[in-house]
Amino acid sequence: DGGITQSPKYLFRKEGQNVTLSCEQNLNHDAMYWYRQDPGQGLRLIYYSQIVNDFQKGDIAEGYSVSREKKESFPLTVTSAQKNPTAFYLCASSTHRGGANVLTFGAGSRLTVL
Amino acid sequence: EDKVVQSPLSLVVHEGDTVTLNCSYEVTNFRSLLWYKQEKKAPTFLFMLTSSGIEKKSGRLSSILDKKELFSILNITATQTGDSAIYLCAVEDSNYQLIWGAGTKLIIKP
Repeated sequence: DGGITQSPKYLFRKEGQNVTLSCEQNLNHDAMYWYRQDPGQGLRLIYYSQIVNDFQKGDIAEGYSVSREKKESFPLTVTSAQKNPTAFYLCASSTHRGGANVLTFGAGSRLTVL
Repeated sequence: EDKVVQSPLSLVVHEGDTVTLNCSYEVTNFRSLLWYKQEKKAPTFLFMLTSSGIEKKSGRLSSILDKKELFSILNITATQTGDSAIYLCAVEDSNYQLIWGAGTKLIIKP
């Protein structure tokens, strides 16, 4: 079945450590996204990529980094520069091709910084 | 600044009740409005609306868009405990960028 796989589902880290969240899709979608979800807030866009080897900052990119070396993969690194990294992270993909930008989401990764 | 506001932020009803969730927006260069349901983790797509006055329906769920008054509603009739979720509204602009509301947390009591 086609879909998006995020790993790990839960992650605990100490302050000052970088962590990398994995996102893999087999939907053959061109565009991929990383969102952060905090209680009581809407989804906030961290980074997005519309094509391999290219990506753009979203609204809250500071303290995060990404790469898009393959169409299927869009890992997110939460660096020590991110001041409040504890959150639920959602990866998504889409192929709008003239239609609406309907996203398919992964199951998310919950990061807790101790 | 573009924004999407959902109301109420949370709602508790009993099984069998009908609920109406609201999504209002101020977005330059509106393209479409989308509804998603987030039960535990991954949001799943419900509806996409682009034209005013045309109701989209799927089982007990329906949604309609008013582009003049800049809002959409999501109705759920004969609610079931499985409808308990966060309902997310997003507006897409002409650059395919999505602006998200904060969501409505719906709890259905048996």
